[in-house]
This record gives sequence, structure tokens and C-alpha cells, in this order.
Amino acid sequence: GAVVSQHPSRVICKSGTSVKIECRSLDFQATTMFWYRQFPKQSLMLMATSNEGSKATYEQGVEKDKFLINHASLTLSTLTVTSAHPEDSSFYICSAGQGRDYEQYFGPGTRLTVT
Amino acid sequence: EDQVTQSPEALRLQEGESSSLNCSYTVSGLRGLFWYRQDPGKGPEFLFTLYSAGEEKEKERLKATLTKKESFLHITAPKPEDSATYLCAVQGEYGNKLVFGAGTILRVKS
Repeated sequence: GAVVSQHPSRVICKSGTSVKIECRSLDFQATTMFWYRQFPKQSLMLMATSNEGSKATYEQGVEKDKFLINHASLTLSTLTVTSAHPEDSSFYICSAGQGRDYEQYFGPGTRLTVT
Repeated sequence: EDQVTQSPEALRLQEGESSSLNCSYTVSGLRGLFWYRQDPGKGPEFLFTLYSAGEEKEKERLKATLTKKESFLHITAPKPEDSATYLCAVQGEYGNKLVFGAGTILRVKS
């Protein structure tokens, strides 16, 4: 159980375009989902916390107008990188929480390359 | 501010050579300490959650322990397939976000 999927796994886009990444909890309902980014050989940095039916909470330094998060249902959250630039190239990973134990289960990640 | 420090940054072991990874933390009211395994180009895979000092959990060749200031991930008789980056994270009493350490890169050679 506790499977989280992401789509796409890899995406290449041109500078100035927008990219949408989907995160789905496949076998459980997640009231809270989290979005992280990870640069090469670095750890995960939390970008925002997404709660179903309400606005996302962004970490300090993360531009909410650039990284749009929507959590429309208990199994789906989306991250849209707007007007992407090469410095947005990174590995984006989502996670979903389940149950009392506060455990988070991670998706396989999305490699974004902005050219 | 919650902080997590992992050591060593990298560890090379021979197959069968047991060792331990360290995770030191400071947190305001520990809700849970989490260990994950991450393979290159993939998302973290959940291993353990520890909630209170003195708690221990085991899974195959891995055993996680917790004190009030640190956690250890003991690897007994590792195999090459145990090679990965091991991440430690804490969750404090305020909110449910995780704060991650930088990870330990483990390489096990046959």
C-alpha cells in the first residue's frame, strides 16, 4: 500500500513556458501533500504544503506565483512551474501523508530540464 | 529552528562489513524521526519511523535506534544492493512537515 505516482517522470521545456506536474496517491486518500525540490547531490527542500480544498502553504523564499499548487481532490495535487527558466531545472518530488503516524510516502520524482 | 545533521557524508563498505550511520537532530517537540532510502533518480523509499527515545525498529539488515539527540541506522552484513543514499528527517510538534538531513551515500562493494 501507500503508493504515490508522479507524471511526467521527465520533461524538457523551453524557457518562458509553463509545465504541470501531477502527483497522485493511488491507494489511499491524502488530505495533505507536499512538494519538494532536490538539486544534484543535495537533500530534499520543502517547497510547499498542499491541503485538499485550501490554499497551499509555501516555505520562505518560494515564489507562490511561480510555483502554482492545486490540490483539487484527496488523491491529486498538481504543481505548475510558470514561465520556467533554466534555474528552475531540478528534480521535483511530491509526497503524501497517511494516517496517524505522520509518515510521508514519496512519488518517484519528475526531472525538469528548462532549455 | 529544527535541524538535522547526518554523518558520514559518504561511506564505503565491503560486503559483509557492518557499520552505522548517524543522524543528529535538534527539534522542538519530536513527533517522529524518519529514515528513508533513495536510489539515484528516484524518490525516497520509506524505511522506519521512530517516536521516542529508546525505540528500535528492524527490517532485514537494517536496524534503527533513537535517543533524545540522535538516531543510528545500523547495517548488518550489507550487500551491494544496500548501496543508496540514506536520508534522515524529523517532524516537530508544529505542523507536519519534514526537515531532512543531507544524507549519507553508502556504497557496498562485493
